[in-house]
Amino acid sequence: RKEVEQDPGPFNVPEGATVAFNCTYSNSASQSFFWYRQDCRKEPKLLMSVYSSGNEDGRFTAQLNRASQYISLLIRDSKLSDSATYLCVVPNSGYALNFGKGTSLLVTP
Amino acid sequence: DARVTQTPRDKVTEMGQEVTMRCQPILGHNTVFWYRQTMMQGLELLAYFRNRAPLDDSGMPKDRFSAEMPDATLATLKIQPSEPRDSAVYFCASGLATTSGSTGELFFGEGSRLTVL
Repeated sequence: RKEVEQDPGPFNVPEGATVAFNCTYSNSASQSFFWYRQDCRKEPKLLMSVYSSGNEDGRFTAQLNRASQYISLLIRDSKLSDSATYLCVVPNSGYALNFGKGTSLLVTP
Repeated sequence: DARVTQTPRDKVTEMGQEVTMRCQPILGHNTVFWYRQTMMQGLELLAYFRNRAPLDDSGMPKDRFSAEMPDATLATLKIQPSEPRDSAVYFCASGLATTSGSTGELFFGEGSRLTVL
């Protein structure tokens, strides 16, 4: 298994839809996880951290499943401005952060 | 507004030439990362530093790439000689390691887009 794997998409959804992305990771010792967002031709920016108990920030919910080694991101009530690539991030054994290749989301009117 | 600064923003060069990319991390951050992004491979970790000491550069082709941090305000990534397959966007990112040693949020620069002809 690759260190971090994501479905590349693209996910095309209408405004207002709910969409979910999953990400699997191989390092079972990883403790902290993140979702980053990257707009076209821009740098990645932190969207949210992923805690063991799960966390919610407005329309965004992140969940962690340690047993199955995957994390998820749920976006409710999608907006046009949510169109971007979403990167799953997992630390390796040396505390460097490994990025998935990203899942592309396009929200259409 | 503190941010990571990278230069150059765009670089077009010919195969065989030396390329140097520079990064000024956010003041007070103790970790610096170099990533390379291509459509095929996504974001690949090339090297990273903690408190200016290189911790891991296993992602770099050692024969042509080198990364250094001559001081806390400057990180450099050098390619010599450059090859067409090095064409990519190179990102520098900085962060503040937690007391447990784990890496917190990374702040990225805008990237250096390199094209090697």
